[in-house]
Order: sequence, then structure tokens, then C-alpha cells
Amino acid sequence: EADIYQTPRYLVIGTGKKITLECSQTMGHDKMYWYQQDPGMELHLIHYSYGVNSTEKGDLSSESTVSRIRTEHFPLTLESARPSHTSQYLCASSGRDGYNQPQHFGDGTRLSIL
Amino acid sequence: QKEVEQDPGPLSVPEGAIVSLNCTYSNSAFQYFMWYRQYSRKGPELLMYTYSSGNKEDGRFTAQVDKSSKYISLFIRDSQPSDSATYLCAIGGSQGNLIFGKGTKLSVKP
Repeated sequence: EADIYQTPRYLVIGTGKKITLECSQTMGHDKMYWYQQDPGMELHLIHYSYGVNSTEKGDLSSESTVSRIRTEHFPLTLESARPSHTSQYLCASSGRDGYNQPQHFGDGTRLSIL
Repeated sequence: QKEVEQDPGPLSVPEGAIVSLNCTYSNSAFQYFMWYRQYSRKGPELLMYTYSSGNKEDGRFTAQVDKSSKYISLFIRDSQPSDSATYLCAIGGSQGNLIFGKGTKLSVKP
């Protein structure tokens, strides 16, 4: 069982607020990822990191930002939330041995912007 | 053409049936193939992982890869109501990022 934790699980908040979604893993994985998942749609990669101080934008354009100051922690921040940010956000991590490692997911944060 | 195509269903079967879930992909450079199961309000959980053509079996689950046809399948034998979930295929290239299908929603009726 993968040890990757996301908080909060659910968040309902008003437009214009600053939001930080937390993601932590205890597996010592170098690579971490953030995905956006909408009902009936594919998971879309919005950010990833190969290690400390490494962050890259994914395939889907996002107004969010990420940081990777510690190996185990990969928070995602929205500076000013809008209704278009309403979605489920999934965090994942994978091991360091080459690129061919499966990703392990947290249970997600379901975000609703009013 | 999307890089990964997966029929979203929904698929409803009686308990005990054999279930076949499928994905096609467009890029022959894809090297490894995964199936995830996602229960409602949970994150995807890795079920099967393979990087070669042929079959891989784990209990009631069999993953099949046909690289010549760019086609992957997941078979579930003796399906149970607890198998009711959304099944996602994921396909990866050399850079380590995965491309996911939309997922097929499966319902197994008692």
C-alpha cells in the first residue's frame, strides 16, 4: 500500500482566496506529480518534479504553482481561486530507478470554488 | 487522434462474468503499460504493470499487451461486486510521464 497523503480531502471556498493543497509521501520517492481529474475525463498532468528544487509544468496549462523544498513534500498553490479551478486534484509519486516506475496516488483533494 | 483511447462505458455485468477492458494507443514508442482501479472518491490504485507484449496474470486479473496492434486489455475473471469501480489504462514513454485513458466505469451486479 502506497503511503502518500493529501490534505484537505474536500475544500469549498470562495473566489479570490489563496489555497494550498498539501501532498506528502513517506516512500522516499524522487519523482512527484500533480494531476487534475474532472468527471469522465482523463487525468491531466499539471506539474511534476524530479527531485528537490526541481519543478516542471505538465501538459495541461494551469494557473497553479508548486514547490519542492523537501523530498517528501510537494504542495500546490492557487494564488487567487476561481470557479474554473473547481476539480479533483490528485498527487502521485514514483521511485528513482529509471523512468519505468509505476506511480502511486493519494486519494485526492476535491476542490469547489464558489 | 488521441494518444490513448478507452471506451468510458458504463459496463454492467452479472457477478461471475468475465470482464474485458481495452485501450488503444497511437505512439509505437510507448514502452510500458499499466492498469489502475479507482473507487469512488478515492485515488487510482495500481493493479497491473507490464512492459512487454504478451500476458501477465495476477489472481483473477490478466493484462494483455499487443504492441503490433497498439492494443492493451485487462481481463477480470469471476467478477465480484467489489470489482465495481472505474478502470484506467495508463501508458508511458521514455520520459517517465504517463498518459491516461478516460477510464471505463464497471458495475458488477450481484
